Amino acid sequence: EDQVTQSPEALRLQEGESSSLNCSYTVSGLRGLFWYRQDPGKGPEFLFTLYSAGEEKEKERLKATLTKKESFLHITAPKPEDSATYLCAVQLVGGGADGLTFGKGTHLIIQP
Amino acid sequence: DGGITQSPKYLFRKEGQNVTLSCEQNLNHDAMYWYRQDPGQGLRLIYYSQIVNDFQKGDIAEGYSVSREKKESFPLTVTSAQKNPTAFYLCASENRGSGTRYFGPGTRLTVT
Repeated sequence: EDQVTQSPEALRLQEGESSSLNCSYTVSGLRGLFWYRQDPGKGPEFLFTLYSAGEEKEKERLKATLTKKESFLHITAPKPEDSATYLCAVQLVGGGADGLTFGKGTHLIIQP
Repeated sequence: DGGITQSPKYLFRKEGQNVTLSCEQNLNHDAMYWYRQDPGQGLRLIYYSQIVNDFQKGDIAEGYSVSREKKESFPLTVTSAQKNPTAFYLCASENRGSGTRYFGPGTRLTVT
């Protein structure tokens, strides 16, 4: 069973049409939740880290929020250059192996 | 300019040949990681190293080998034992304080 689930898998929006991406997790003992942006053929680019429920972080048109069971990445008035795959990852307190579990990502397309 | 470099960007090899992917970082991070990314499967951990001269297997280590002789460098060798080596390979390093993992630009390996 996946510990980190991202939805939707793909999302197509018109330029300026605001929406939210979801990252839900079924683990306990969260140390941190991370959001990344990945463009085709490139490595993931770090966006935000959230550590506790209620925390929010903003960067340009993006705002990340965290509850006890999920995180949202809100995109306000998106532009075509916001098109990318957005990944979330969960880090556990005392997590085994490398302690970081990635979701499969949401592929976002913003149409002009 | 701090960051993670991977070389080459594209690599082509014949089946049965070993190949080594380079990863260098100048962020002064102790921990480094190798991931494999395939379409629809998300990021999968191959090997990681928390400190020089030490490394651990990740979830899909079979057919791969690594070394960590210097803090800045963490090369990955894809051996002929890897049954399906064609993939996009990502190297990362981690800031221990924040737990944030930063990625390199990736190497796309094609084996025919």
